Amino acid sequence: QKEVEQNSGPLSVPEGAIASLNCTYSDRVSQSFFWYRQYSGKSPELIMSIYSNGDKEDGRFTAQLNKASQYVSLLIRDSQPSDSATYLCAVITSNDYKLSFGAGTTVTVRA
Amino acid sequence: KAGVTQTPRYLIKTRGQQVTLSCSPISGHRSVSWYQQTPGQGLQFLFEYFSETQRNKGNFPGRFSGRQFSNSRSEMNVSTLELGDSALYLCASSLSGGGETQYFGPGTRLLVL
Repeated sequence: QKEVEQNSGPLSVPEGAIASLNCTYSDRVSQSFFWYRQYSGKSPELIMSIYSNGDKEDGRFTAQLNKASQYVSLLIRDSQPSDSATYLCAVITSNDYKLSFGAGTTVTVRA
Repeated sequence: KAGVTQTPRYLIKTRGQQVTLSCSPISGHRSVSWYQQTPGQGLQFLFEYFSETQRNKGNFPGRFSGRQFSNSRSEMNVSTLELGDSALYLCASSLSGGGETQYFGPGTRLLVL
């Protein structure tokens, strides 16, 4: 079982719609969760970190964490063409503090 | 505050050669992690350094090594290059490692011919 799994893409949404990205992780005692955005040919950039159960909002982005279900998600509201990128879910594993990444979900926002 | 910098940005090597990549973390950050990104395997953790000591290591062969200097700058070395080592090598820094946010540099794109 992979440490971090993301829903397979690609995900295509119309401009202005909500894009929903999902991620599950296997290490039950993981404490730190991150969403990164990566444009083609570029390095990952942090969108949001979340450490506690519940929702965390930052502008058009909302991260949701459910530790009991070992699930973390990212919602992008009012999607823009500039949101077209690959979104990477990352989890800090509890035993060695290394950052484990999912395979990424590629999002395309149609104008 | 300047971000993470990596040099060189692009490299072309041939099989059997070795390569050294450099990473300068954000000022004040003492933890540096290295990752390899390929289309087939995604982002994979190589190793993490803190205070000149390797704290964590991923599942890569011994051909991959690294070090960290007293100013927190880090280098990674790959010896006896193989075609499969072609990848984007990313460095990320954080204040002290642990569960903190890691900030990535622009990466070094290595092509092995």
